[in-house]
Amino acid sequence: DTGVSQNPRHKITKRGQNVTFRCDPISEHNRLYWYRQTLGQGPEFLTYFQNEAQLEKSRLLSDRFSAERPKGSFSTLEIQRTEQGDSAMYLCASSFQMLQTIGYTFGSGTRLTVV
Amino acid sequence: GEDVEQSLFLSVREGDSSVINCTYTDSSSTYLYWYKQEPGAGLQLLTYIFSNMDMKQDQRLTVLLNKKDKHLSLRIADTQTGDSAIYFCASEGGMDTGRRALTFGSGTRLQVQP
Repeated sequence: DTGVSQNPRHKITKRGQNVTFRCDPISEHNRLYWYRQTLGQGPEFLTYFQNEAQLEKSRLLSDRFSAERPKGSFSTLEIQRTEQGDSAMYLCASSFQMLQTIGYTFGSGTRLTVV
Repeated sequence: GEDVEQSLFLSVREGDSSVINCTYTDSSSTYLYWYKQEPGAGLQLLTYIFSNMDMKQDQRLTVLLNKKDKHLSLRIADTQTGDSAIYFCASEGGMDTGRRALTFGSGTRLQVQP
């Protein structure tokens, strides 16, 4: 297990199309996070899962966004009816949570361009 | 909500020390992190500090935490050209907030001149 894997690395889509990204976390990590990073900004939290339960969603996560982690392993993030403002790097991170999490491992991200 | 602020840019000469500063607002933050991001790459965890510590040293990296002022700094000794990157400060929500995610600053671009 070499780290957090995200696919695809790049995605170009036309406005109005749906896209889906996949994240495979480190296998023993029970928490999985999605962040969005736009140019010149730090990552912004979107949502996170503990095992298969989605425990928190940011107000940034509009109704067009949905995330799943059906078996508590990999996760998918779907964006419906994409808009140009959705263009960003989508980062996935995972961690192992006991009483407190120490350290999050990030994947290399999926860069989405909406044209 | 929580906020993390950083200066945007720092330029140093190779061999000098770099100091990157960060302020945060969440007084219940339990851990504070420094991440490094190189162009086109993901985030690499450099170091972290627990909120009951005021200093942590890890090889060339020294983290100082002033919890009263909610100020965090990262010192890189003997800065090398390979240290050129964007450095992000991040706070983790404390138990009081019930938040289990990181709030990032906008990043400080470190440029190391040979």
